[in-house]
Amino acid sequence: DAGITQSPRHKVTETGTPVTLRCHQTENHRYMYWYRQDPGHGLRLIHYSYGVKDTDKGEVSDGYSVSRSKTEDFLLTLESATSSQTSVYFCAISEGSGGTYEQYFGPGTRLTVT
Amino acid sequence: SQKIEQNSEALNIQEGKTATLTCNYTNYSPAYLQWYRQDPGRGPVFLLLIRENEKEKRKERLKVTFDTTLKQSLFHITASQPADSATYLCALVNDYKLSFGAGTTVTVRA
Repeated sequence: DAGITQSPRHKVTETGTPVTLRCHQTENHRYMYWYRQDPGHGLRLIHYSYGVKDTDKGEVSDGYSVSRSKTEDFLLTLESATSSQTSVYFCAISEGSGGTYEQYFGPGTRLTVT
Repeated sequence: SQKIEQNSEALNIQEGKTATLTCNYTNYSPAYLQWYRQDPGRGPVFLLLIRENEKEKRKERLKVTFDTTLKQSLFHITASQPADSATYLCALVNDYKLSFGAGTTVTVRA
């Protein structure tokens, strides 16, 4: 398995509280991504990073922010959690060599907002 | 708008048969198409990549075709086994991001 971990693996939080999810890689890959996965919607890109301090929005970025201060860490913050953000969150990494961008995924974080 | 559709949500087949999954896309011109496997409770795992100038790619019992005229990829699992039961996702490379289909869940009966 690619060296990618996510923490926490499970979290229950209340509506209106801020939440931060962490993705850590040991592969020194340039690209990092945050997805959410919900039944009927598949994987949807929230935010991504193409280098330290270089990030951009994906298709479902409202209510989320990210930061990448080191190559190995990519943080996803829910500024004020809502029940609609209950989901499974996956982090992925990609080396990006050759333009093929195959991605390697972490184990996921199951977030429940009550 | 861009759209990726996988033919059906679920596919049930008998062990030993060939499973064929379809991925259709619109309003994309991808240079690459990828297939992933996802087991319940786990992240997707990269299986295969096919380039736009490749018609077919094989890896062990897996075969992928890519028809840029039809805007379609077919994913075949030959001599299927119960261990092949999983959800299979197709993904298109879009700049340095991927856009995923919703997946097809394959169940192989012994």
